[in-house]
Amino acid sequence: DVKVTQSSRYLVKRTGEKVFLECVQDMDHENMFWYRQDPGLGLRLIYFSYDVKMKEKGDIPEGYSVSREKKERFSPILESASTNQTSMYLCASSFVGSPNQPQHFGDGTRLSIL
Amino acid sequence: DAKTTQPPSMDCAEGRAANLPCNHSTISGNEYVYWYRQIHSQGPQYIIHGLKNNETNEMASLIITEDRKSSTLILPHATLRDTAVYYCIVRDEYNQGGKLIFGQGTELSVKP
Repeated sequence: DVKVTQSSRYLVKRTGEKVFLECVQDMDHENMFWYRQDPGLGLRLIYFSYDVKMKEKGDIPEGYSVSREKKERFSPILESASTNQTSMYLCASSFVGSPNQPQHFGDGTRLSIL
Repeated sequence: DAKTTQPPSMDCAEGRAANLPCNHSTISGNEYVYWYRQIHSQGPQYIIHGLKNNETNEMASLIITEDRKSSTLILPHATLRDTAVYYCIVRDEYNQGGKLIFGQGTELSVKP
């Protein structure tokens, strides 16, 4: 089975802190994605990556940066956390190439910024 | 914006088939229909996807109409553990890595 692991299920941080989120997948997937999920707004794409060292902005990249130093790991950073970044963060991965490769998700990190 | 319309909620008796409808009247020729579900406080779980033919796997069946404007997800023997929000998604495979856009979904309650 595909395994996408997000290191923390719950995080509480303070405004202005630098926050690191982590995601690791064990299926050798090329594509990795970070979304946030908010009530009434659905899923929104923050960043995605289709290869090591490669990253592309999604729909809401402001306030976030990401790194992909290894194929299995894709990690966003909240440079200076703000209360509007309180959300459920979801990591996903998939194979690249031909279409119709499903994305597989981790269990999410529920982040609260106080 | 999501390109699909689903009923907000449905009930199903345990052991019965759950049939979840989805309208996607603006789907284009190369877009796939995907289904995911999300149990409270967990990440979305992939269920099944298809282009124009009906599909079946160990979890569910997907029936797509001939004009591809709607589809139905069938859970053949619903259990209490199938209680979740089910999302029908039309995915543009070539836009932003094939990002997923979740609508409001259908909240399925399986009752004993």
